[in-house]
Amino acid sequence: DGGITQSPKYLFRKEGQNVTLSCEQNLNHDAMYWYRQDPGQGLRLIYYSQIVNDFQKGDIAEGYSVSREKKESFPLTVTSAQKNPTAFYLCATRDRGSTEAFFGQGTRLTVV
Amino acid sequence: QQQVKQSPQSLIVQKGGIPIINCAYENTAFDYFPWYQQFPGKGPALLIAIRPDVSEKKEGRFTISFNKSAKQFSLHIMDSQPGDSATYFCAASGRGNQGGKLIFGQGTELSVKP
Repeated sequence: DGGITQSPKYLFRKEGQNVTLSCEQNLNHDAMYWYRQDPGQGLRLIYYSQIVNDFQKGDIAEGYSVSREKKESFPLTVTSAQKNPTAFYLCATRDRGSTEAFFGQGTRLTVV
Repeated sequence: QQQVKQSPQSLIVQKGGIPIINCAYENTAFDYFPWYQQFPGKGPALLIAIRPDVSEKKEGRFTISFNKSAKQFSLHIMDSQPGDSATYFCAASGRGNQGGKLIFGQGTELSVKP
């Protein structure tokens, strides 16, 4: 079964805790992206990576961190510095030379 | 200049109607304009996309109209069905947009009544 796997589907975090969201792909795509979705605000870019061991901040990177040690994996850590982390998080990939982005099924993070 | 503005925020139509969703952009470096469809609890999926060298593109019941001079584009859904009920996002990317990242509109929640 190919594609993009985000896990877990639902995640609950206590205030003050860091939490890591997983994104794994077997599409052999070079670029990977993390978006945050809030009602009425569309999708906002958190971080993106075009190649292994390199990544750039998006529009709302504060309070988040990422790594890209393998082509297949682009985990996102939501740190305690993120003031309002409750949201739906989406991972996407894109092949080099292509314009089409493919999305995972998302992780819904709730701070309790 | 990086924004894409989408309207309306929500839309209700009867089955068979033609909902129209509009988007506007400022950055003339954008050269790729996709529309994504998202069902509740799922990730967005590419529906249809257009480049600015054409004014219209049709795929099945979905049509994009593109007005380069006005920097606007819209999605029309012909003969809409209850199964089309979803959230629709327009987006843009292009030259000068590092990493091929997509800039998304705010989304339109479409409800098609039986």
